[in-house]
Amino acid sequence: DAEITQSPRHKITETGRQVTLACHQTWNHNNMFWYRQDLGHGLRLIHYSYGVQDTNKGEVSDGYSVSRSNTEDLPLTLESAASSQTSVYFCASSGPGQGIDTQYFGPGTRLTVL
Amino acid sequence: GENVGLHLPTLSVQEGDNSIINCAYSNSASDYFIWYKQESGKGPQFIIDIRSNMDKRQGQRVTVLLNKTVKHLSLQIAATQPGDSAVYFCAESSNTGGFKTIFGAGTRLFVKA
Repeated sequence: DAEITQSPRHKITETGRQVTLACHQTWNHNNMFWYRQDLGHGLRLIHYSYGVQDTNKGEVSDGYSVSRSNTEDLPLTLESAASSQTSVYFCASSGPGQGIDTQYFGPGTRLTVL
Repeated sequence: GENVGLHLPTLSVQEGDNSIINCAYSNSASDYFIWYKQESGKGPQFIIDIRSNMDKRQGQRVTVLLNKTVKHLSLQIAATQPGDSAVYFCAESSNTGGFKTIFGAGTRLFVKA
């Protein structure tokens, strides 16, 4: 069955370290997204991609970067982790159109920055 | 995640009763709406969607109603079961001026056996 997976599921890191969260989908979806979820907020979009070599900033992109070298993967990198980036991170994918399709979410990665 | 929803609006219903969860959306240009269910420690799960050219759509035990005049969306769950206990949130999408989906903060549903 097609799925979307994230790794690691839990991560503890220190302020200033670079961290990369992995997202892998086997839906063969063109579109992939990264969100963060915090108390009192809905999901907030960090970055998204409409296809290979395409990346776009979302509403909370500062301090994060993504790259899309193939259809299946969209890794999220925190260049220099900050305590404000402690959150639960969700990856999602959708297809085939651009944007207006149901998004399927991964199980999430809980990141703690000390 | 487990900590999401500690301060969310809460709806408590008796098993077997119908549940109605409401959502006000913000963008009058939104043309696609989705309801998601999120259980503790899991990612959001698609329940049902509706496009702006419709005002009602039914699924298995769930119905979504859309009122564009007042920018209101509701999710009705028939014969609520303990397994329905979760956080439910709506999302609105628009492709006008670039891709944009906005997610609501959610409502926590408790089902009492």
